[in-house]
Amino acid sequence: DVKVTQSSRYLVKRTGEKVFLECVQDMDHENMFWYRQDPGLGLRLIYFSYDVKMKEKGDIPEGYSVSREKKERFSLILESASTNQTSMYLCASSSSPRETQYFGPGTRLLVL
Amino acid sequence: AQSVTQPDIHITVSEGASLELRCNYSYGATPYLFWYVQSPGQGLQLLLKYFSGDTLVQGIKGFEAEFKRSQSSFNLRKPSVHWSDAAEYFCAVGEYNFNKFYFGSGTKLNVKP
Repeated sequence: DVKVTQSSRYLVKRTGEKVFLECVQDMDHENMFWYRQDPGLGLRLIYFSYDVKMKEKGDIPEGYSVSREKKERFSLILESASTNQTSMYLCASSSSPRETQYFGPGTRLLVL
Repeated sequence: AQSVTQPDIHITVSEGASLELRCNYSYGATPYLFWYVQSPGQGLQLLLKYFSGDTLVQGIKGFEAEFKRSQSSFNLRKPSVHWSDAAEYFCAVGEYNFNKFYFGSGTKLNVKP
């Protein structure tokens, strides 16, 4: 069964902290994505990666960075967390743009 | 810029009634179109997708959607709703060349007994 796992379901951090969100997929997918989900706004793409060490900005990359050192792992980094980054973060992977994206369960981040 | 519009934020239907969730997109080329469902506390799951060919596509759980190019729409339908269909539904558009996805803001479905 396909699986995308995220390191934490819930996370509480303080303003200014550096935050790492980890995502691992076991499907050997080329593409991985990070979204944030906010009520009334749907999912917004933060970054995506189409290969190891490759990344592209999505619609809302400001305040975030990513790292993909291995094919199965895609990390989202909040360099200096702010309260407006309180959100649900979803990771996804797919074998190609035409194929299904498989989502992880999400990490609900609260920044105080 | 590409965009996806789901005009209905909340919809309530009675169990057994038919359902149609609307989705309109803005995209120059032929898009890749998807419907995902997110049940409470769950991750998103693909219901169905359209790339080319027959404009009426069948998905899981008895859902179907029809691509209408002239209306830039990809509405999701189900002939008879079950209580377990209560969830949030997202329409999405994929760009072939740029590996990007755009999601609508979602429609929350409530099912009355």
